[in-house]
Amino acid sequence: DAGITQSPRHKVTETGTPVTLRCHQTENHRYMYWYRQDPGHGLRLIHYSYGVKDTDKGEVSDGYSVSRSKTEDFLLTLESATSSQTSVYFCAISETGLVSTEAFFGQGTRLTVV
Amino acid sequence: QKEVEQNSGPLSVPEGAIASLNCTYSDRGSQSFFWYRQYSGKSPELIMFIYSNGDKEDGRFTAQLNKASQYVSLLIRDSQPSDSATYLCAVRPGNTGKLIFGQGTTLQVKP
Repeated sequence: DAGITQSPRHKVTETGTPVTLRCHQTENHRYMYWYRQDPGHGLRLIHYSYGVKDTDKGEVSDGYSVSRSKTEDFLLTLESATSSQTSVYFCAISETGLVSTEAFFGQGTRLTVV
Repeated sequence: QKEVEQNSGPLSVPEGAIASLNCTYSDRGSQSFFWYRQYSGKSPELIMFIYSNGDKEDGRFTAQLNKASQYVSLLIRDSQPSDSATYLCAVRPGNTGKLIFGQGTTLQVKP
């Protein structure tokens, strides 16, 4: 299994509080992704990173920010959590962004905003 | 229009039948296409990828790509109850490094 660790695995937080999810990899892969998964929507890309300090928006980036200060860590922050951000969050890594390169997924983080 | 579209299903097939899963995409610059399988409560895992027009076979799985029609499919032969899962189509559009997923198709294989 690819060395990807997401933390925490489960979190319950209150509306309006900040939340940070962490993705840690031991594969030295260049690309890292954050997705959210909701029933009927599949996986939707929030943000991705193509190197240290290099990030870009995905399909559903509003309300989320990311940071990557080291190759191995990619942080997703909800500045002020809302109930609509209740979801399962997956981190993925990819060695490159080239066409034939697959992505490997972490175990997921279940976030509940009450 | 979503960049990648799949019929959410559920698609129900009897054991031993061929399951056919379909996916369309909107970006003509898309170069590679992936099929992931996701069991309930688990992470997605790669089944196969394809980037040339035509068919690509791997065991009981065949991926088919038609870039002119912007269409990619996954055939599962001799379907087994253990194939029951959600199948996610993913596309790398152009050279952005993004990986965009469809909403997934739930497959149920009945004994």
